Amino acid sequence: AQKVTQAQTEISVVEKEDVTLDCVYETRDTTYYLFWYKQPPSGELVFLIRRNSFDEQNEISGRYSWNFQKSTSSFNFTITASQVVDSAVYFCALSEGFGNEKLTFGTGTRLTIIP
Amino acid sequence: AAGVIQSPRHLIKEKRETATLKCYPIPRHDTVYWYQQGPGQDPQFLISFYEKMQSDKGSIPDRFSAQQFSDYHSELNMSSLELGDSALYFCASSSPTSGGEVDTQYFGPGTRLTVL
Repeated sequence: AQKVTQAQTEISVVEKEDVTLDCVYETRDTTYYLFWYKQPPSGELVFLIRRNSFDEQNEISGRYSWNFQKSTSSFNFTITASQVVDSAVYFCALSEGFGNEKLTFGTGTRLTIIP
Repeated sequence: AAGVIQSPRHLIKEKRETATLKCYPIPRHDTVYWYQQGPGQDPQFLISFYEKMQSDKGSIPDRFSAQQFSDYHSELNMSSLELGDSALYFCASSSPTSGGEVDTQYFGPGTRLTVL
């Protein structure tokens, strides 16, 4: 069975600080996909990034970066120079196997950026 | 770019009533998923359809049913509503895959259902 754990329930940082959101996953499949979604106070789910199990390259996109480590089953997300607009709930999610499969979400991390 | 459309955005029902939620996927997306997100919780998978056939089923109550139509839009029908059905219901869609590559699920804005 697949499982995603986001141990940090809530994080608050002062604006312009860097912050890392942790995600640990469990799966028996050798092929799987990992995702991060952002849910701002308005409620929609916004896709941020997708990674497959064969691609351990870290990625940087503007102020966002992701660190995927299969050895520790982790897919962490870092925001540098945080801004108030980054305040949201962030979900890590896992999809197993081939084709379009369901997402299993972690419980989310509520990030608050203090001006 | 076109996004997933859900209607209605808000719905208020009484206990034991029925509700129908609609989802219009991104054009050319052939797979639709439904998720339920209770207050303060993560989204939970309900059901999915691929090319108008049910492809997977999660923790969807027997009181709920869903289908995907020939134009790929989907409807989630909920009967005998209970207080615990109050939640945000998301629809997501993804495009055809080739070679087993998984496509990203793009979510609609959600329908907030309140059962009184």
